[in-house]
Order: sequence, then structure tokens, then C-alpha cells
Amino acid sequence: GQNIDQPTEMTATEGAIVQINCTYQTSGFNGLFWYQQHAGEAPTFLSYNVLDGLEEKGRFSSFLSRSKGYSYLLLKELQMKDSASYLCAVRDMRYSNYQLIWGAGTKLIIKP
Amino acid sequence: DVKVTQSSRYLVKRTGEKVFLECVQDMDHENMFWYRQDPGLGLRLIYFSYDVKMKEKGDIPEGYSVSREKKERFSLILESASTNQTSMYLCASSLPSGRGLMIEQYFGPGTRLTVT
Repeated sequence: GQNIDQPTEMTATEGAIVQINCTYQTSGFNGLFWYQQHAGEAPTFLSYNVLDGLEEKGRFSSFLSRSKGYSYLLLKELQMKDSASYLCAVRDMRYSNYQLIWGAGTKLIIKP
Repeated sequence: DVKVTQSSRYLVKRTGEKVFLECVQDMDHENMFWYRQDPGLGLRLIYFSYDVKMKEKGDIPEGYSVSREKKERFSLILESASTNQTSMYLCASSLPSGRGLMIEQYFGPGTRLTVT
């Protein structure tokens, strides 16, 4: 089967750095996505990793290690507007090339 | 900008009613998806469609059906609503995906359905 694990909730301070981890178990891995979802709103795409290594996009970076089944999302210079849930999703080719398998999300709380 | 719209933000229905949730996208995407989102469970795929009149079951299709008569529109139908179908329903669309291609899904704002 497939399993994606993320911490349920994290708290960080404005201006600091936070790392949100995601671990997955699948034999048909073909890409990992991170999405941001503010309360009551639609998820929006943040990043995509399919090869090992770090992808940087402004204040946000995402890392992937396929051998370890592990990814993290790194948020730098935290702002209050970064308070949101962060969803990790894996594309698993065993199912179809359309489907994503989603983690339950990590709620990030930013304190002043 | 891709725009995915859903017919209602909030909906309250009674047990046994037939419920229609509509989703429209304006970017000519082939793929469309219906998810439900419940606390602690993440997004769970109900049905998806990769072309007009084509549909495939997701992880939790029981109690639901779908219709895709036009490329831009994907409807979710609850034949006889039950209280355990109270949830947030999210529609998404995307281009066709191939091996190794980064194809993101674009989401609508969601419909919070309450069945009493």
C-alpha cells in the first residue's frame, strides 16, 4: 500500500526558519508535490521534486531523497501569512499517471 | 491564470436528498478530479476523469457518481446524501501527465457540504 506521513502541527516564530518533513512508502514513486492551503481556501502549488536534491524557489525550498523516501519543505524568513497547512503529495505510477496520494497535511502556526 | 470554480461554497442538505456539485475550469484541461477533505485524513480521491465521458473510480467512490459531458465541466452527484458525506469537497483540474513530467493540479475554492 501507500503511506505518507507528516507532522500534524508545528509552531514557529516570525522571521525564523522551519522545516516540514514528509516521509512516504511507495514502490511506484514518480514525483512529490508540496501544496499550501490557507484555512477555508483551495490548495495552491508550491514545489515539485522528482530527482534527489534541493529545489529552491525564493523563501521556500524543497528537498527529496528517493532512497530514504523522504522530503522536506524549508520555509525561511517566516511571515505571518505563512500560517497555513502544508500538504505533501506523491505521484504513484502503480495507480495511474494522474493520481496523487496525499498526506494529511501539517498545520503551521506562526507566532509574532 | 487557471480558474477552477465550484457552484457553491456552502451547502446544507437533508439525508436522502440528491445533491449535485458542479465544477468548471477555463484552461482546457483534460484531467479533472473530485476530492473530499476531512480533518486528519488529507485529500481522498473520489473520482477522476481524463477526457469527456471518461471516468475512473478513486479511493472512495461509494455513494457518489460523476458526469463529464463537456470538457470544462465535471459534476459530482450524491444519489442519496448521508450524514457521513458531510465534508469539504474540492475539485481540481490538470493537463495530462506523463512520466517524469511535473503537472500540477489546480484547485477550486471548495464546497463545504453539511448533511443533516
